[in-house]
Amino acid sequence: EPEVTQTPSHQVTQMGQEVILRCVPISNHLYFYWYRQILGQKVEFLVSFYNNEISEKSEIFDDQFSVERPDGSNFTLKIRSTKLEDSAMYFCASTQGNNSPLHFGNGTRLTVT
Amino acid sequence: AQSVTQPDIHITVSEGASLELRCNYSYGATPYLFWYVQSPGQGLQLLLKYFSGDTLVQGIKGFEAEFKRSQSSFNLRKPSVHWSYAAEYFCAVGARNTNAGKSTFGDGTTLTVKP
Repeated sequence: EPEVTQTPSHQVTQMGQEVILRCVPISNHLYFYWYRQILGQKVEFLVSFYNNEISEKSEIFDDQFSVERPDGSNFTLKIRSTKLEDSAMYFCASTQGNNSPLHFGNGTRLTVT
Repeated sequence: AQSVTQPDIHITVSEGASLELRCNYSYGATPYLFWYVQSPGQGLQLLLKYFSGDTLVQGIKGFEAEFKRSQSSFNLRKPSVHWSYAAEYFCAVGARNTNAGKSTFGDGTTLTVKP
């Protein structure tokens, strides 16, 4: 069964550094998402992406965050200048569209030191 | 705005016992409803979903959930629990609009299974 794949599984970075989290959604999916889960807390929506643009974003997704689908297969989340509170598990998800469930990747654990 | 409440933070059951995890939602219309399971350090696996039709939905691993509109609930059930089902369970609601993939998650219920 096709899967959403995320790399790396664990990323350690220093505060203030830029980090790029990578995702390969399922190939025939059209809608792409990033979610975040701070340790011990609930999963939170960050951003949705459709037709090569952001369709919706949460208040968490401030100017330090950006997303891109550079080549038609990868879907990336960039954090420009990481903060300690950005430490979390970041999940990528994709779906074909309405009436289709989200497929989640296994996540990237980001640790900011 | 949509919201999800999972009243039980932690549930412990004995292996072989039945299980019911509670989920209540708030949404202006009939939502999309989901249950996910997350093992430690792992991603989110979809157990089952409700979009429309039969209010009793069957999922993977023998799980089922019933959508009760009058109670705004979508409780997850399993007749007999195996030790391997110990994990975090999340209920989620999605809006019936152009961005149905934007789901709101509950805080989760941690399931412990006693031998």
